[in-house]
Amino acid sequence: QKEVEQNSGPLSVPEGAIASLNCTYSDRGSQSFFWYRQYSGKSPELIMFIYSNGDKEDGRFTAQLNKASQYVSLLIRDSQPSDSATYLCAVSDLGLYNQGGKLIFGQGTELSVKP
Amino acid sequence: DAGITQSPRHKVTETGTPVTLRCHQTENHRYMYWYRQDPGHGLRLIHYSYGVKDTDKGEVSDGYSVSRSKTEDFLLTLESATSSQTSVYFCAIATGSGNTIYFGEGSWLTVV
Repeated sequence: QKEVEQNSGPLSVPEGAIASLNCTYSDRGSQSFFWYRQYSGKSPELIMFIYSNGDKEDGRFTAQLNKASQYVSLLIRDSQPSDSATYLCAVSDLGLYNQGGKLIFGQGTELSVKP
Repeated sequence: DAGITQSPRHKVTETGTPVTLRCHQTENHRYMYWYRQDPGHGLRLIHYSYGVKDTDKGEVSDGYSVSRSKTEDFLLTLESATSSQTSVYFCAIATGSGNTIYFGEGSWLTVV
């Protein structure tokens, strides 16, 4: 059984702080890693994806991947109240140049950013 | 906007009745998915499709069937709805860039 684990939270950070969200996965063959944001009552929205070990930055978001440790994280710098949402980690066994991967999701981490 | 439309968006139905949820996409994507989301379980894959008339089961397929007779439509059917199928159902499509998956707005189903 392939698993993706996240702390359910809630994770509470003050406005302007760095929020750190973590995810571990069980399948060593995993190739693609995704972070989704989901506001209450809405559908998941893709924030970032990462395929290679290391860091990938996009604005205030940085995804970090360590395949040896089977660990992926999402950092949100200068957190804003509008970042308050549930963040879902997802993993696929297909890589960058493939389509049709079946994503396995973690349960999500609830983030609350306090003004 | 990934061009995905789900219908109905909200439905209340009685135990034992059949229910069909429709997912419609406008961008000719090959891969389509149905997920359900429940508290404590996250998003779980029900069925997926890799082309017209080509479908396969996901991790929670019992009690569900799907059909895809046209590229743009992927139908999820609950043959005889049970209370355990009360959930939020999300359709998703895979785009050509980076194996990314985008979700529709969801269908809230309550089985009473």
